[in-house]
Amino acid sequence: AQSVTQPDIHITVSEGASLELRCNYSYGATPYLFWYVQSPGQGLQLLLKYFSGDTLVQGIKGFEAEFKRSQSSFNLRKPSVHWSDAAEYFCAVAPFSGGYNKLIFGAGTRLAVHP
Amino acid sequence: NAGVTQTPKFQVLKTGQSMTLQCAQDMNHNSMYWYRQDPGMGLRLIYYSASEGTTDKGEVPNGYNVSRLNKREFSLRLESAAPSQTSVYFCASRRQGEKLFFGSGTQLSVL
Repeated sequence: AQSVTQPDIHITVSEGASLELRCNYSYGATPYLFWYVQSPGQGLQLLLKYFSGDTLVQGIKGFEAEFKRSQSSFNLRKPSVHWSDAAEYFCAVAPFSGGYNKLIFGAGTRLAVHP
Repeated sequence: NAGVTQTPKFQVLKTGQSMTLQCAQDMNHNSMYWYRQDPGMGLRLIYYSASEGTTDKGEVPNGYNVSRLNKREFSLRLESAAPSQTSVYFCASRRQGEKLFFGSGTQLSVL
């Protein structure tokens, strides 16, 4: 069965430090890959997506993610975290054939940022 | 810009009661979705409507019904609420080929 794993439930970093959030998926073929962010009391907002092509994708708010086929991973990175980045982050995958109608979300990683 | 509007924002029900969650979007999107979010589980798709007049089951449809009233509105109904349906419910919409836009959620507690 298709699945998405975010191994880290909670991560705490200091403001200005670098960040990497992990995401692993299990799919038979390369799926569509997404990262979403959810601020408290809000819906999800798309940070970035990967469909094909360059395996390093740039998103909003200074985030980037790298698709590694050999590791079935799509990790999210940011070189310098700001206090406003504190939120919950969700990785999601969708099969090439089903697209958004078959999105599967990971359980999320909650990010805390220390001043 | 209103985007995706969900009502109500909070609701408390007793077991066996019924209610309808409302969702409306003003972006002329074809597709609309209902998700539930539970701690430690991410979002799971309940139902979706790829276009006006069509609805399809998602991953967790049991205990729910939906109605795509028109292009703007997509409602989710709980006929007989159960404690297992305590969750945060999100509506989302999108235009074909574009990203999802989410509402701010409805927090539902079933006692």
